[in-house]
Amino acid sequence: AQRVTQPEKLLSVFKGAPVELKCNYSYSGSPELFWYVQYSRQRLQLLLRHISRESIKGFTADLNKGETSFHLKKPFAQEEDSAMYYCALRGFGNEKLTFGTGTRLTIIP
Amino acid sequence: DAGVIQSPRHEVTEMGQEVTLRCKPISGHNSLFWYRQTMMRGLELLIYFNNNVPIDDSGMPEDRFSAKMPNASFSTLKIQPSEPRDSAVYFCASSVAGGPVNEQFFGPGTRLTVL
Repeated sequence: AQRVTQPEKLLSVFKGAPVELKCNYSYSGSPELFWYVQYSRQRLQLLLRHISRESIKGFTADLNKGETSFHLKKPFAQEEDSAMYYCALRGFGNEKLTFGTGTRLTIIP
Repeated sequence: DAGVIQSPRHEVTEMGQEVTLRCKPISGHNSLFWYRQTMMRGLELLIYFNNNVPIDDSGMPEDRFSAKMPNASFSTLKIQPSEPRDSAVYFCASSVAGGPVNEQFFGPGTRLTVL
């Protein structure tokens, strides 16, 4: 069974402060991990995936297999980062995505 | 490209009524997914299709829920009879199965309220 846990439903951070959105997963094989974001009045969209090892809008996420984590980080929060963030997992060779319950990030001006 | 299209955007109905949600995937995508979003449970996969065939419907909550994909450009999710606990936002997403990117593209969602 695959499972994704996002322990924080709500997170408030001051503008300019570092951001870390936590994600832990449970999966017996080699997972693919993703972060999706939903800005106000916009569609849910892919932010980044672990295999790309890229930085998008200043966000990065490193897959830590030892800790089974895929935390999303940004060194300096911006107001436009306020949104709902979902961590998601896909098993190898599977089309199905399992999402966490999401974290609503609010950046305080 | 308008992306994934869902209709209606909002639906308010009374308990016991039949509800039909519609989805048009992105042209050329061969996988289609139905999700339900609630505050308590987040995003849950209900069912997904590959090449119009249902592959995994383990997330469908009960027999009141059914989904069809009669062709590559249309899918429906039906709830009959509806109950207040079905109130949620229902999302449809599509992707190219097996492609190098395999990103799921989401529709705008249908906000369902069952009174």
